[in-house]
Amino acid sequence: ETGVTQTPRHLVMGMTNKKSLKCEQHLGHNAMYWYKQSAKKPLELMFVYSLEERVENNSVPSRFSPECPNSSHLFLHLHTLQPEDSALYLCASSRRLRLNEQFFGPGTRLTVL
Amino acid sequence: GQQVMQIPQYQHVQEGEDFTTYCNSSTTLSNIQWYKQRPGGHPVFLIQLVKSGEVKKQKRLTFQFGEAKKNSSLHITATQTTDVGTYFCAERSTDSWGKLQFGAGTQVVVTP
Repeated sequence: ETGVTQTPRHLVMGMTNKKSLKCEQHLGHNAMYWYKQSAKKPLELMFVYSLEERVENNSVPSRFSPECPNSSHLFLHLHTLQPEDSALYLCASSRRLRLNEQFFGPGTRLTVL
Repeated sequence: GQQVMQIPQYQHVQEGEDFTTYCNSSTTLSNIQWYKQRPGGHPVFLIQLVKSGEVKKQKRLTFQFGEAKKNSSLHITATQTTDVGTYFCAERSTDSWGKLQFGAGTQVVVTP
């Protein structure tokens, strides 16, 4: 499936680094999402964008900064992360905000040293 | 907010056997979606249930929404090794933008 792509697939960074995760959807969807998946925890919703407007910030620390320049692209800028931020970060999209299933990208496996 | 509980957390199944995983809520659910995540993969949408008592089938998978819309189940018959993975249910909230609230998942291991 190549409907939602994410880069990089793996990322190792130090706590003082700045990095960005990229997501691109080729499905013509209007809504995009960032999720965090940690071991033994449910999927945690981080941010939601609808037509490039952020509609939800789920109490995410400011060291995570999202950006949605257009309806096809979504970024997650990372700065001064902590080791407990190590997780799989998943991007998803859906046709519209309230309806339909979500299509997930392959994720970025992030390790913070 | 609302949270769906999934049981069991782990399920070891002999190939060829049937099993069922459950998704429960203390409050009425607007709808339920089911996703499957293979080991090392990402969640993939399987089905959405909306109506009370709804039953949908996909080959060996049978999905059911409870009459009271407080629970849902996924039943797999004649389990195959390809059924390995974690099955998540997710409830769509009734707020202004319909956030998906995922359960913790049932991790399924199939032994040949």
